[in-house]
Parts: sequence; C-alpha cells; structure tokens
Amino acid sequence: QKEVEQNSGPLSVPEGAIASLNCTYSDRGSQSFFWYRQYSGKSPELIMFIYSNGDKEDGRFTAQLNKASQYVSLLIRDSQPSDSATYLCAVKKGSQGNLIFGKGTKLSVKP
Amino acid sequence: AAGVIQSPRHLIKEKRETATLKCYPIPRHDTVYWYQQGPGQDPQFLISFYEKMQSDKGSIPDRFSAQQFSDYHSELNMSSLELGDSALYFCASAGGAGDTQYFGPGTRLTVL
Repeated sequence: QKEVEQNSGPLSVPEGAIASLNCTYSDRGSQSFFWYRQYSGKSPELIMFIYSNGDKEDGRFTAQLNKASQYVSLLIRDSQPSDSATYLCAVKKGSQGNLIFGKGTKLSVKP
Repeated sequence: AAGVIQSPRHLIKEKRETATLKCYPIPRHDTVYWYQQGPGQDPQFLISFYEKMQSDKGSIPDRFSAQQFSDYHSELNMSSLELGDSALYFCASAGGAGDTQYFGPGTRLTVL
C-alpha cells in the first residue's frame, strides 16, 4: 500500500462547479499535509497546507483534514478551466520534512 | 519574490555519461530537497540538506551524490547515467528543516 493514496482521475467538472479532491495517508503520526498543483511538464506549485483538524480556507480553495480518518481533501469552488491540472497531495515525513506524494489526481474543468 | 533557480533547465546526455544539476534556493532558505519525477509518476524524494549537512536520504542511487555549499546552493552529481534516469529533477527549498517547501522549475534530463 502506498503511503499516500489519491484517485488518479481524471476528474471532470463543469466550469463554476465545486471540484472535490481526496487523499488518504497511512502513517497515523503524520502532522503536516500539503496540496500542490502541477501543470504538465511544470514544477509543483503550493496551493495550501494544513496541520490541524478541520477546515482551512484560502480564496476559492478549502483544505479539510480529519486525522482520525487519516483523510485530507481539497475543495475548489467556482472551478475555472485554468484550474485544470494534476493535484498532488503530500505528507511531510519525519522531522526533516521530506515530502511523500500521492500519484496525483488529474482535474479537468470543462468550459 | 525570488524563487528557486535550477540550471540547466534541459540536459541531454548519453548513457554512461555524467551530469551535474544545480539548485539555488530562495534567499535566506537554508534547506534544500531534491526530487526525481519520472514520466507519469509522482515526485520521489532523493536527498536533502540542512545548513550544508545532509539531513535525510531517500531513494537516491549510489551513482548519484549531492552536496550543499557555503552559499546554500546545492549540486546533484549523477554518474554512469542510465536510460531510466531520464526524468524531471526538482529542487525545493525551505526556510528550515521541516518548513514549507517551494519548488524550482526543474531540470529535464534526457539520457539517450
């Protein structure tokens, strides 16, 4: 079992809809969780990070963390075609902080 | 704001050749991470440095080595290149070990 699991998609949503991206992790001791957006051939771009249980909102993005269920999600409201990309969930490993990534979910927002 | 700089952006090598990838972290960042991303794969952690000392090691082949210099830039040295080394190589920097990582644009290495 991979340490960080994501549905590879593709996830297709119409423009203006809410896109919901999910991620589960296996290490119950994990403390920090990150969502990166990656366009094809480009580098991962940090969208949000979350450390505490509950919701964290930043503009159109909301990250949700449930440590008891070992589950992290990212909601994108009012999805735009420019949001079409692969979304990588990452968990920080240990105190030194290298990231363990999921395989990513490919999101397609249709005009 | 200044970002992570990587050079070269593209590199083509033959099998069994050597390659050196460079990473210049965000100013005042003292921690550097290297990741390898194969086609259709997620980034895999290779190695990291904090304050010029190796801090953690991941799935880095013995043919690869890296170091961080006094100005905090880092170099990844790759020898005896194999076809399977063709990938995007990302460097990420952070303000401290365990801090949020910001990725550079990557170096695309193609081994022929």
